[in-house]
This record gives sequence, C-alpha cells and structure tokens, in this order.
Amino acid sequence: GENVEQHPSTLSVQEGDSAVIKCTYSDSASNYFPWYKQELGKGPQLIIDIRSNVGEKKDQRIAVTLNKTAKHFSLHITETQPEDSAVYFCAAVNNAGNMLTFGGGTRLMVKP
Amino acid sequence: NAGVTQTPKFQVLKTGQSMTLQCAQDMNHEYMSWYRQDPGMGLRLIHYSVGAGITDQGEVPNGYNVSRSTTEDFPLRLLSAAPSQTSVYFCASSMASGAYEQYFGPGTRLTVT
Repeated sequence: GENVEQHPSTLSVQEGDSAVIKCTYSDSASNYFPWYKQELGKGPQLIIDIRSNVGEKKDQRIAVTLNKTAKHFSLHITETQPEDSAVYFCAAVNNAGNMLTFGGGTRLMVKP
Repeated sequence: NAGVTQTPKFQVLKTGQSMTLQCAQDMNHEYMSWYRQDPGMGLRLIHYSVGAGITDQGEVPNGYNVSRSTTEDFPLRLLSAAPSQTSVYFCASSMASGAYEQYFGPGTRLTVT
C-alpha cells in the first residue's frame, strides 16, 4: 500500500518568516495530494490540494508543489502569522481514489 | 448545514465492552470514512464507504465493524474494546465519488481501561 513520510515533525519560525513542510510518497500511481491543518481539539481541515497533472498551486499565502518524478510534494506558507500555528498533515489518495494515506504530521509554531 | 457530526465527544470503556460511535452528515455526500489518530502516527483509515449499502476495509480494520444503511449515517462499532483501541476517532465525508476533498467531524476521544 501507499506510504507517506513527512518532515520535519516540528517546525518553529518567527512571525513573518516562511515555513516549508515536505512529504514523499511511495505509490507512483497516486493522483491527489491534499494538505490538512489541525488545530488543538478539532478535526483536520483541508487547506489546499493538488492533482497529479499540476506542478504547483497557490492560494494567497499558501502554495503546494508536486514533483511526480521524485514522488515528493511540499507545502509553503509565506508571511507566517501566529494563527498559522497548528499541526499540518500531508496525504495521498491511491489510484483507485478510495483510500487516503496520511503523513505523520508537522507541528508548526509561529513565534510572535 | 451542520456538516459532519460525531457523538459522543468523549467515552470511557472497560476492556471487553462494546459500543457504537455515531457519525452523520447532512451534505448528501456519497463517500464516508473513519480514521483513528494516535500520537505521532497521523491518521489511519479504518473503514470507508462509497455509498449506501457499500463498505470496505481500510488500513487498520481489525476490531471494528461498519454499516451504511443510509447516505447520512456511518456508525463505527467496537465489538469487544481493547486498550489498543484507545485513540481519537474521526469521521469524514466527501462530495466526490472517492476520498477527495474530505470534510472531517470534530472527533470522539475514546479511552479503554
């Protein structure tokens, strides 16, 4: 089955700096890669996603890049704010589209 | 819309007891799923359903049963609880025909003693 690895497990940045979280996946047939943000005591919330026919996608301060050849994708957050502090998860959907596999998560702390 | 709702929020069980975690969505989503979240391990898929009457196993199905008699509801049953099932459980649903763009519920924190 699919295996998704995520790095780093914790990330501390100063407010206004950029943050980058990286993930690799094992199944070359995977075709959809979402990123979720989880705040304390809440369920994960989808913040951005990318499909395998696209190399990059942006939404305001958040961007995701995908390198299918290397089987890795990354989340970039620019101009970080204290409210960006949360746990972020990457994930990959299998080729059949019926199962989502998550990475282990990154705890992002933005210091004011 | 209430979105995805889960009950109860918290539950404590003794080893061997059974219980059902409830999940409902009011968005007419076909795809629903259950995940468990353990510290440092992300979320792992337990069971999923692509529509009423259809269920299938995910990555960690042992010890859990599901059914999908209606589009709205997707309960998760623990037949004989074990301490290894202590976890936070999340239900999710998607308007897509698969595991894309899923909306998650608020979770149920289960402790088995």
